[in-house]
Amino acid sequence: NAGVTQTPKFQVLKTGQSMTLQCAQDMNHNSMYWYRQDPGMGLRLIYYSASEGTTDKGEVPNGYNVSRLNKREFSLRLESAAPSQTSVYFCASRSGNMNTEAFFGQGTRLTVV
Amino acid sequence: AQTVTQSQPEMSVQEAETVTLSCTYDTSESDYYLFWYKQPPSRQMILVIRQEAYKQQNATENRFSVNFQKAAKSFSLKISDSQLGDAAMYFCAYRRVQGAQKLVFGQGTRLTINP
Repeated sequence: NAGVTQTPKFQVLKTGQSMTLQCAQDMNHNSMYWYRQDPGMGLRLIYYSASEGTTDKGEVPNGYNVSRLNKREFSLRLESAAPSQTSVYFCASRSGNMNTEAFFGQGTRLTVV
Repeated sequence: AQTVTQSQPEMSVQEAETVTLSCTYDTSESDYYLFWYKQPPSRQMILVIRQEAYKQQNATENRFSVNFQKAAKSFSLKISDSQLGDAAMYFCAYRRVQGAQKLVFGQGTRLTINP
């Protein structure tokens, strides 16, 4: 049972480059989320998708775009990477029912130089 | 907007002893969920325990228990008989029941276990 799979696990970008972080879940979950984790700040929500076909901004959406490609996949795109986007990125998913938990991917460590 | 605050950036405890991690939150909602997540060096986010706000009874999971004080908006985690494998970052998190059910995290507490 794979759960939530993120690719890649590590990435180094130069300032101004673009890239897409991929996330896929095999649990038939409705809701998917992208967080970033920075030291001393916990995990902050970038974007989320409550269901297939919908996306909404979270706490720190600037510099990012997302695509809910289908029910399984939710990608995060950095159009022009900046050093401030150096972080660990987590994808998560939930079924959407009130009483269910979020499952997290293993994270992507992104460094922008 | 809901906020979650963990005021202890780091804590340490002797192996086999008990430690309590603090968490406070701010919300105007009456019904919600609270969670403690553990993040070991592997980076994986692991759910430790959760509490439904409508339940007065404090949640327990083996050596882990919470002290949920709804009026004070406090949600502390007690780890009994600490083990070396408990060393990790611990995050407190809040989730609404209605509307956008996204998790709001605290800043985290790094727990060190001294052998």
